[in-house]
Amino acid sequence: GQSLEQPSEVTAVEGAIVQINCTYQTSGFYGLSWYQQHDGGAPTFLSYNALDGLEETGRFSSFLSRSDSYGYLLLQELQMKDSASYFCAVQHDYKLSFGAGTTVTVRA
Amino acid sequence: SQTIHQWPATLVQPVGSPLSLECTVEGTSNPNLYWYRQAAGRGLQLLFYSVGIGQISSEVPQNLSASRPQDRQFILSSKKLLLSDSGFYLCAWSVGTANQPQHFGDGTRLSIL
Repeated sequence: GQSLEQPSEVTAVEGAIVQINCTYQTSGFYGLSWYQQHDGGAPTFLSYNALDGLEETGRFSSFLSRSDSYGYLLLQELQMKDSASYFCAVQHDYKLSFGAGTTVTVRA
Repeated sequence: SQTIHQWPATLVQPVGSPLSLECTVEGTSNPNLYWYRQAAGRGLQLLFYSVGIGQISSEVPQNLSASRPQDRQFILSSKKLLLSDSGFYLCAWSVGTANQPQHFGDGTRLSIL
């Protein structure tokens, strides 16, 4: 089976940097994805790491270490609109298994 | 570009009634298709996935079934809804090779009364 762990909540102020860690246990690992979900909305794809290292997309970056079964999502220059839930998800076979999500609250 | 459509956006159904949720994808061929359910404040649970027409894999035994009558159409059904079927149902697609990122539709919020 698959299991993922990520913090349940993070609070930060506008302009700050937030790092959301994700550790996982899985068989048949192919990659780690990150999704953003605003209240009442559908998950939006943010990033996918299949190989070790850092992927940068604007203010968001994602990191993967396959040997450590660990990844993180880095949110820089936080804005109010970044308040949302963030999910890490392990890609295995043709499927995604999701963590329980991290609620990020951005304060003015 | 690829788009995914899911309807209806919200649905209120009585216990014991049937269900049919439809999802279609445009702008791609032979996608992998997925149905997920999300309970309030929780992560997403994979219900079914399909790698081709008529090919359905079920992840969780339950009161639901899925069908893929056409390449870009995925349907979630139930003959008799239970109270526990309430939730946020999401359809997703990915490129039809293994282990590509998945992209979600807007979801259907289902309430069972």
